[in-house]
Amino acid sequence: DTVLTQSPALAVSPGERVSISCRASEGVNSYMHWYQQKPGQQPKLLIYKASNLASGVPARFSGSGSGTDFTLTIDPVEADDTATYFCQQSWNDLTFGSGTKLEIK
Amino acid sequence: EVQLVESGEGLVQPGSSMKLSCVASGFTFSNYGMNWIRQAPKKGLEWIALIYYDSSSKYYADSVKGRFTISRDNSKNTLYLEMNSLRSEDTAMYYCAKLNYSGPFDYWGQGVMVTVSS
Repeated sequence: DTVLTQSPALAVSPGERVSISCRASEGVNSYMHWYQQKPGQQPKLLIYKASNLASGVPARFSGSGSGTDFTLTIDPVEADDTATYFCQQSWNDLTFGSGTKLEIK
Repeated sequence: EVQLVESGEGLVQPGSSMKLSCVASGFTFSNYGMNWIRQAPKKGLEWIALIYYDSSSKYYADSVKGRFTISRDNSKNTLYLEMNSLRSEDTAMYYCAKLNYSGPFDYWGQGVMVTVSS
């Protein structure tokens, strides 16, 4: 299985720019997707195929990368962005990263 | 508006069985692959099963293979997950999710909690 590695937690202040990384154990082409999960809610798709913004998602969110290294960027961060962010690949089976918990200071 | 509504939540004993349902609306259900994804308490997301739009292919995570069965009834816009030989480690929130053609899960249900405990 393709393992996706994410850093466990980040803390930033409102108005700053934050980058959340996801590294795949093998190449996944551009088939990397990003989700936001707020406490008590289901995950919500933010970015699909590395850099495409899902419908209704603010342009503050963007994605980049290909192969094994991917990044979700939020700029500027808002208080409402407090959540856990998961990456997921669909090139080799279907696997998720362990999630990055984002705290807004 | 796309909606996925799961049902079948409950508490069961180890070794028992349970069936979850997910009713879809707001899109042409019979055109899309559907999935079950679970999340143990305070843990990450685990994909567990996929069924093609026409039920021609089904795939399972190793953790549930041979115990869980995914199925669908396109005439009822409903997805199912039959769970047998349940274990304590199956305790989780179970989500149904629609698979977009390019690979992401673009819509998720609100989830149902399955607790396996004696």
